[in-house]
Amino acid sequence: QVQLQESGPGLVKPSQTLSLTCTVSGGSISSGSYYWSWIRQPAGKGLEWIGRIYTSGSTNYNPSLKSRVTISVDTSKNQFSLMLSSVTAADTAVYYCARNSVDHLDFDYWGQGTLVTVSS
Amino acid sequence: QSALTQPPSASGSPGQSVTISCTGTSSDVGGYNYVSWYQQHPGKAPKLMIYEVSTRPSGVPDRFSGSKSGNTASLTVSGLQAEDEADYYCSSFAGNNNIWVFGGGTKLTVL
Repeated sequence: QVQLQESGPGLVKPSQTLSLTCTVSGGSISSGSYYWSWIRQPAGKGLEWIGRIYTSGSTNYNPSLKSRVTISVDTSKNQFSLMLSSVTAADTAVYYCARNSVDHLDFDYWGQGTLVTVSS
Repeated sequence: QSALTQPPSASGSPGQSVTISCTGTSSDVGGYNYVSWYQQHPGKAPKLMIYEVSTRPSGVPDRFSGSKSGNTASLTVSGLQAEDEADYYCSSFAGNNNIWVFGGGTKLTVL
């Protein structure tokens, strides 16, 4: 059974960089059958796709966040990471990592989510 | 890319059927058969309920079904049960720039 677990600071100061890591267990992140995505959800609001990475390192980002987002992968640790720069209070949200099927283009496994608050 | 449009709320009594709509454009819902639906209970991560418009993953009850017509996808929950009360989100692949979009979510209440 594949499991994903987000980790990282729960509090980030405005203008700084948010950094999160997703650790994948029960399966290899190097499998060519999946992309690996980050999705966020502000309190009481809907889901927003942030971006995805393939095992090769190729990425796609939400155009609205593209200038501030970097997603990277570390296959040796079975992890992928998110960096979001120049954060503001509007970036306060629960951040989820998710597995993204190449064949079905759905999000079939999700982490439990981690709350990141942007505040001084 | 704009978010997909869902009604903010829907409701039904136990045993009844409810349909939730998800409207996009020809660049996302209408252009690809890659619409998926997610159920989210409070404080929990979303759970995949439907993929590729109408396919149920293993373990999802057949009370849940999906369809699409033009730029609008729909999720129907038949034989409503108390545990179906949750938020439901649609998502679609939007081929330009290989991105995904989500709907704003629909809160389903079982009366």
